[in-house]
Amino acid sequence: GENVEQHPSTLSVQEGDSAVIKCTYSDSASNYFPWYKQELGKRPQLIIDIRSNVGEKKDQRIAVTLNKTAKHFSLHITETQPEDSAVYFCAARGLEYGNKLVFGAGTILRVKS
Amino acid sequence: DVKVTQSSRYLVKRTGEKVFLECVQDMDHENMFWYRQDPGLGLRLIYFSYDVKMKEKGDIPEGYSVSREKKERFSLILESASTNQTSMYLCASSPGLRAAGYTFGSGTRLTVV
Repeated sequence: GENVEQHPSTLSVQEGDSAVIKCTYSDSASNYFPWYKQELGKRPQLIIDIRSNVGEKKDQRIAVTLNKTAKHFSLHITETQPEDSAVYFCAARGLEYGNKLVFGAGTILRVKS
Repeated sequence: DVKVTQSSRYLVKRTGEKVFLECVQDMDHENMFWYRQDPGLGLRLIYFSYDVKMKEKGDIPEGYSVSREKKERFSLILESASTNQTSMYLCASSPGLRAAGYTFGSGTRLTVV
């Protein structure tokens, strides 16, 4: 079935720097790739997503890129702020896994001020 | 505007007890999911449902069952709770097989003693 690997597991950056989290997936038929942010004690919330017919998508300070050939996608956060500190999960949805989302293990992002 | 509601935020149960975790969504979503979240393991799918009275096993169904008698409600049942089922349980819903993203509930932190 689909497998999603996420790296790094923890990431510390200085406020104002950029942060990049990478995910790889195994099912070449995967067609939808969301990113979720989970703040401490709160529910995961969708922050950005991308579909397989698009290579890049931006929303203010966050962007996601997709490389279908290499089967990987990345989350980019620019000008990081302390409120960006959270756990970030990537996910992929593909036909091989019945159209359910398969999640990566998560990345703990700490933004130091 | 809470859209996916989990009945309990914290729950403490004894080993061997039958435990019910309730999840209700008010968005008329077809799909509902139960995940457990453990540090370093990300979100692991326990069971899911694409329709009323329909259920499918996820990756870790052992020791769990589910019930979906009404479209808006998806219950997770621990038939005989064990200490290794101590975890954070997250319910999620989505509007259709090919629709975008999940909406998560706030989670139930279950401790089995």
